[in-house]
Amino acid sequence: DAKTTQPTSMDCAEGRAANLPCNHSTISGNEYVYWYRQIHSQGPQYIIHGLKNNETNEMASLIITEDRKSSTLILPHATLRDTAVYYCIVRVDYNTDKLIFGTGTRLQVFP
Amino acid sequence: DVKVTQSSRYLVKRTGEKVFLECVQDMDHENMFWYRQDPGLGLRLIYFSYDVKMKEKGDIPEGYSVSREKKERFSLILESASTNQTSMYLCASSSPGGNQPQHFGDGTRLSIL
Repeated sequence: DAKTTQPTSMDCAEGRAANLPCNHSTISGNEYVYWYRQIHSQGPQYIIHGLKNNETNEMASLIITEDRKSSTLILPHATLRDTAVYYCIVRVDYNTDKLIFGTGTRLQVFP
Repeated sequence: DVKVTQSSRYLVKRTGEKVFLECVQDMDHENMFWYRQDPGLGLRLIYFSYDVKMKEKGDIPEGYSVSREKKERFSLILESASTNQTSMYLCASSSPGGNQPQHFGDGTRLSIL
């Protein structure tokens, strides 16, 4: 019952920008968009989150469309260590604060 | 940086044993969570806690219990381990407030033989 849709996999050349799209057409007005990534055999790593404005931190940028129905995570200069599964999440349960992870996008960065 | 530390990366136990998984966070977070992650099923919430000595059931609490005696520590207990509890267990913590991100530990891969 994830509220997001992401491509199954993407490739990116090392040093280039990786742009990972996410659709969340049923997002509610007070729901944030979160991005996490999970490298094999490790726990999910928080990347960035936002409500409606674009956000940037030391790891990535988050671009949210004006209607908030989709967003894009941008890794400006991908490295081999960015190879991971990237999850776009819309928090759906404020009673438990649980995160619902979908299947994510498997990003492969190649030399 | 937020640090969530889980006591073991890999653990092997036998059916019927009582198993303790420990989680400690160093960011003074009020909220703590236990999830399990299984292929094809994603992350499922087992228990969570918003304060010391407080606990709430998540989606799959059966066969588990938790303890939160100190703010920084949240323990998951498998009362009598069974093979269907073989999984990756993930602990997370966050500040209060509906938009605060959860930060995860590296997980404990538990095998029940």
